[in-house]
Amino acid sequence: GQQLNQSPQSMFIQEGEDVSMNCTSSSIFNTWLWYKQDPGEGPVLLIALYKAGELTSNGRLTAQFGITRKDSFLNISASIPSDVGIYFCAGQFNYQLIWGAGTKLIIKP
Amino acid sequence: DAEITQSPRHKITETGRQVTLACHQTWNHNNMFWYRQDLGHGLRLIHYSYGVQDTNKGEVSDGYSVSRSNTEDLPLTLESAASSQTSVYFCASSDSVGGNYNEQFFGPGTRLTVL
Repeated sequence: GQQLNQSPQSMFIQEGEDVSMNCTSSSIFNTWLWYKQDPGEGPVLLIALYKAGELTSNGRLTAQFGITRKDSFLNISASIPSDVGIYFCAGQFNYQLIWGAGTKLIIKP
Repeated sequence: DAEITQSPRHKITETGRQVTLACHQTWNHNNMFWYRQDLGHGLRLIHYSYGVQDTNKGEVSDGYSVSRSNTEDLPLTLESAASSQTSVYFCASSDSVGGNYNEQFFGPGTRLTVL
């Protein structure tokens, strides 16, 4: 089936640092999504991207929909403690989502 | 406020038993989904429904079933629980308005352990 390759698997960063993660796919998607999951909760949508080349920001978060429609990246600027969690990319196929395995963000004290 | 709830939040059962996980949403969404989450796999789709009386198999549907008798509920049944079904299960719902992506709203999850 369709798969998304998300990297890195985990990141240990200092508070204040910028973070970058990405997803690639062997398939083309019309929509790319980035979700965040806090411990003990379900994922929550951060950013949705609808057009190839689109660059969208949500506060300190910026995401881009790759030109080939097979990849996307998410950047977080000036990380803060509440940024910890697992970040998932997902590509939409009809009403269904294909998910990456997640990037776990850990902020070193 | 509209919401999506799951029950129970934690469940321990034995191999071979039938288990049903409940999902209830008050968004009045047509689409409902069940996922399982395991380390290293992200979320994998088990079953989904686009409306009452409609159910479809997802990527990992073996050993699971769902039924949709009303808009609000999509219970997930494990016919004969196996240790490989130990996982965290998430229910989600979304609207079906045409056009761009319709956000999926997730429940808090059910942690199932099969001994």
